[in-house]
Amino acid sequence: GAGVSQTPSNKVTEKGKYVELRCDPISGHTALYWYRQSLGQGPEFLIYFQGTGAADDSGLPNDRFFAVRPEGSVSTLKIQRTERGDSAVYLCASSLAGGTAYEQYFGPGTRLTVT
Amino acid sequence: AQSVTQPDIHITVSEGASLELRCNYSYGATPYLFWYVQSPGQGLQLLLKYFSGDTLVQGIKGFEAEFKRSQSSFNLRKPSVHWSDAAEYFCAVGASNSNSGYALNFGKGTSLLVTP
Repeated sequence: GAGVSQTPSNKVTEKGKYVELRCDPISGHTALYWYRQSLGQGPEFLIYFQGTGAADDSGLPNDRFFAVRPEGSVSTLKIQRTERGDSAVYLCASSLAGGTAYEQYFGPGTRLTVT
Repeated sequence: AQSVTQPDIHITVSEGASLELRCNYSYGATPYLFWYVQSPGQGLQLLLKYFSGDTLVQGIKGFEAEFKRSQSSFNLRKPSVHWSDAAEYFCAVGASNSNSGYALNFGKGTSLLVTP
């Protein structure tokens, strides 16, 4: 079956611009996660959704970052007033339910470059 | 707080040789432990996981890992490496109860190079 998909695969934007990154999880997965992977680092947690609600947004670095999942399926990560330090690969993962006992399936990521 | 340390940034092994990638964790209780592999341009793929029970766990692609509570370690091993194993390997720890959240905490990764 189809895995987690993310669009776009690459995004180049200018400093100060607004960007949206999309994640389409595996059908039927109620839990969705966003992670950020900087060069030479492991993925770092940003936010976790259970259904439509953000159950844990403790990893969002500041209020420029926001994510939604209005219908409990597709999620959009939104970054306002982008900064060069936001450049990274943004990974999305989904799982059948919340909790680390459930395997998280990762998408290929969106590489964001802020110039 | 949970943390994961992968002491080796890069490892080079010859094809056919054995492999061990090190992972140490810090966590207040028994954690859930994972090894993921990331090939260039690919998403993270789960190799294996440990939740409880037998401390030697078998995974996909011929990998295994051993949980050693006394050493706070969860090292990944493979008896004979293939050229296709060249990739980035990440150890991760997750909370075993919902009060500590649901996110995975990843190490910085070990890059594996396989030589002919």
